[in-house]
Amino acid sequence: DAGVIQSPRHEVTEMGQEVTLRCKPISGHNSLFWYRQTMMRGLELLIYFNNNVPIDDSGMPEDRFSAKMPNASFSTLKIQPSEPRDSAVYFCASSEQGPGEKLFFGSGTQLSVL
Amino acid sequence: RKEVEQDPGPFNVPEGATVAFNCTYSNSASQSFFWYRQDCRKEPKLLMSVYSSGNEDGRFTAQLNRASQYISLLIRDSKLSDSATYLCVVDANQAGTALIFGKGTTLSVSS
Repeated sequence: DAGVIQSPRHEVTEMGQEVTLRCKPISGHNSLFWYRQTMMRGLELLIYFNNNVPIDDSGMPEDRFSAKMPNASFSTLKIQPSEPRDSAVYFCASSEQGPGEKLFFGSGTQLSVL
Repeated sequence: RKEVEQDPGPFNVPEGATVAFNCTYSNSASQSFFWYRQDCRKEPKLLMSVYSSGNEDGRFTAQLNRASQYISLLIRDSKLSDSATYLCVVDANQAGTALIFGKGTTLSVSS
């Protein structure tokens, strides 16, 4: 299996621009998670889906952030408009069943908002 | 109190040393515990689960102390390749809530 696939690996954009991050979970996994990692705050859960349905989005910072999972093999995390404080590494992860299980992470997207 | 707390380190040890990390968690009802390893500029990867009776995987030993709400990771005979950040991970034990990560403890093993 190819593992969790994220794109792009790096994204540099200017403040105010829209950013879309993409994720393909491992085939057969029922749960998908979006995490954000910074030096100050570590790994923070933004949102997670189970069977394509958003279960917990309490970690989404504000209305500028939105996430979708239109089918079992694809998810997006969108930031509109982006701000410099959004600069971080964004990881997507998937697990076979639910949230308390082993997570498989993608390689992450390094986002820099100038 | 933060949900999952770790000493950030860094722990600097020579090859062959034994090193231990502790992690405390706030939710006494948590049921799932893990140690993940994260190399520089890479994604976290599961190192080992932590079971109530303690468990060992080669040079790595994980322990759980429910009464004191802490988890430990012991690394024996450290190798250069063990240099990484070790993340303590706990479930929040609320229905539908995902795993919570500590900020990590950085280990540097030198020759």
